[in-house]
Amino acid sequence: AQKVTQAQTEISVVEKEDVTLDCVYETRDTTYYLFWYKQPPSGELVFLIRRNSFDEQNEISGRYSWNFQKSTSSFNFTITASQVVDSAVYFCALFIQGAQKLVFGQGTRLTINP
Amino acid sequence: GAGVSQSPSNKVTEKGKDVELRCDPISGHTALYWYRQSLGQGLEFLIYFQGNSAPDKSGLPSDRFSAERTGGSVSTLTIQRTQQEDSAVYLCASSLDYREGDEQYFGPGTRLTVT
Repeated sequence: AQKVTQAQTEISVVEKEDVTLDCVYETRDTTYYLFWYKQPPSGELVFLIRRNSFDEQNEISGRYSWNFQKSTSSFNFTITASQVVDSAVYFCALFIQGAQKLVFGQGTRLTINP
Repeated sequence: GAGVSQSPSNKVTEKGKDVELRCDPISGHTALYWYRQSLGQGLEFLIYFQGNSAPDKSGLPSDRFSAERTGGSVSTLTIQRTQQEDSAVYLCASSLDYREGDEQYFGPGTRLTVT
């Protein structure tokens, strides 16, 4: 099976807390691509990051960081010092080569309370 | 530059009517994708185009769904004889190329309500 699991359906934290969103994937491909998207209340999916299976370096972009671990098939996303504007649904996705499609997890609804 | 645009933003239709949803990708993007998002099914892939060709239509939910792309640009998703279970947000995305998981940029979606 090729699928993505986001076990956390909803997370609620107070502003300035750090929060980690979990993503576990399954694939039989040796080359694959993982993504994170943000869907704010406005509804539009916003691309955050793309990672290929050959690059296990962690990435940091401002308050956002991603931890890719092939050994545990995980691609977790951490927001440091969360802000109210970070409130959104976050989706992890796996790109299926051949079928040329993104398979999405069920999403994690993140609420940052002031 | 302009992002992916979709029209209409909202569509309410009666059961049994046909609807057409339009997607205008980012200029220069050769790959175009349709997804739909519903409460029960989450985000599901429908079809992709490389240029004007759709190599695999198996993701379309039924034979009432069809899609085409002309001139390597605009795409239309048509749903015939709409049913209530077709109610969802239909999202279009485009990427520079269809190979190697190029990042897909999404449009704002068309919210379809079948009454």
